[in-house]
Amino acid sequence: GQQVMQIPQYQHVQEGEDFTTYCNSSTTLSNIQWYKQRPGGHPVFLIQLVKSGEVKKQKRLTFQFGEAKKNSSLHITATQTTDVGTYFCAGPEHGSSNTGKLIFGQGTTLQVKP
Amino acid sequence: DTAVSQTPKYLVTQMGNDKSIKCEQNLGHDTMYWYKQDSKKFLKIMFSYNNKELIINETVPNRFSPKSPDKAHLNLHINSLELGDSAVYFCASSQGQISSYEQYFGPGTRLTVT
Repeated sequence: GQQVMQIPQYQHVQEGEDFTTYCNSSTTLSNIQWYKQRPGGHPVFLIQLVKSGEVKKQKRLTFQFGEAKKNSSLHITATQTTDVGTYFCAGPEHGSSNTGKLIFGQGTTLQVKP
Repeated sequence: DTAVSQTPKYLVTQMGNDKSIKCEQNLGHDTMYWYKQDSKKFLKIMFSYNNKELIINETVPNRFSPKSPDKAHLNLHINSLELGDSAVYFCASSQGQISSYEQYFGPGTRLTVT
């Protein structure tokens, strides 16, 4: 079946260092969403990318959608302790874009040492 | 005002018992979901309803039965609880059942079966 893979699974960085998580789908995606889950919290929507090669920025966060619409990345510049959490990418199940069904990656858990 | 709320937040029960989790959203959304998040943080869709109609019904044991009395509420009843049912269950909602809509998650219900 369709898979959405994320790497790395865990990342420990020193505060101020940069961080990147990569998301790869086994199928072409019509769109990709990113969510953040703080420790003990619930997933919170960050952004959606739709166009091939799209790049969007939110302050220190930069999101990219690959040209083939099969991969995406999230880059955080100069991490802060508030960036701690698990970052998930999610894409619609192939052929099920009218059901709302999202396939989530396994997530990348970011730890930031102050 | 809480957008998506769930009760209870914690649920500790013994094997073989039956329990229910309730979810309510005040966003005026048409679509609601149940997700299961395991100990490795993997998020898996279980069910979705669109305006009280069952849309997504993943391969889960038939001990799990969702019910949507109206489009603002989605409940999950679990019969004959097993140890493997221990997880965090998230309710979510979206504007509609198209996968391009962002999903809003509730705070989660941590179920522990002993």
